[in-house]
Amino acid sequence: DSGVTQTPKHLITATGQRVTLRCSPRSGDLSVYWYQQSLDQGLQFLIQYYNGEERAKGNILERFSAQQFPDLHSELNLSSLELGDSALYFCASSVGGGQFTDTQYFGPGTRLTVL
Amino acid sequence: DAKTTQPNSMESNEEEPVHLPCNHSTISGTDYIHWYRQLPSQGPEYVIHGLTSNVNNRMASLAIAEDRKSSTLILHRATLRDAAVYYCILRGSMDSNYQLIWGAGTKLIIKP
Repeated sequence: DSGVTQTPKHLITATGQRVTLRCSPRSGDLSVYWYQQSLDQGLQFLIQYYNGEERAKGNILERFSAQQFPDLHSELNLSSLELGDSALYFCASSVGGGQFTDTQYFGPGTRLTVL
Repeated sequence: DAKTTQPNSMESNEEEPVHLPCNHSTISGTDYIHWYRQLPSQGPEYVIHGLTSNVNNRMASLAIAEDRKSSTLILHRATLRDAAVYYCILRGSMDSNYQLIWGAGTKLIIKP
């Protein structure tokens, strides 16, 4: 158990809908990262937040957005969902803001299925 | 843009050393090299990281080329529990907007 929690574990929805994925970082960690992993693919880095502010941006679509709240939990919002958005979404946390040696601790993931 | 290149898969026999290569020819001077692995049905977990010098920890060793354009993750005695996808990652500094570049990963198959 990494200490990072993600809810829900599974989510099934329809095309065109909007969903929110939630992540709670390890106690004391200030950064939250979001990743997308499509079936049998590698991880795609989406975005990182550090202490409430956006720190680094990857291949995040405009239909996706994220935020980190004062209690440091984070939410990833996915809108106008398409079949291709079906994937496993991982959240990770780290102590610092992206310093070179920061270790990321990953949650168990949320599996999103878009029908 | 920086990128990392890894072989899709590799096979090794149990109890033998494994060398997993990664090419990162566009690495910048302040990028750190990180390795993570993902066991089946789990989230990735940290393995090791380094900048210029070779590094060792209880899980593995990291050998970094002198020009830093490639690195090799070394598992000294692979066991069946080491079967996983291994990712090579570049972590940038503020100068590169803290970029985080993940490779596509190498699936390591261990034969008993």
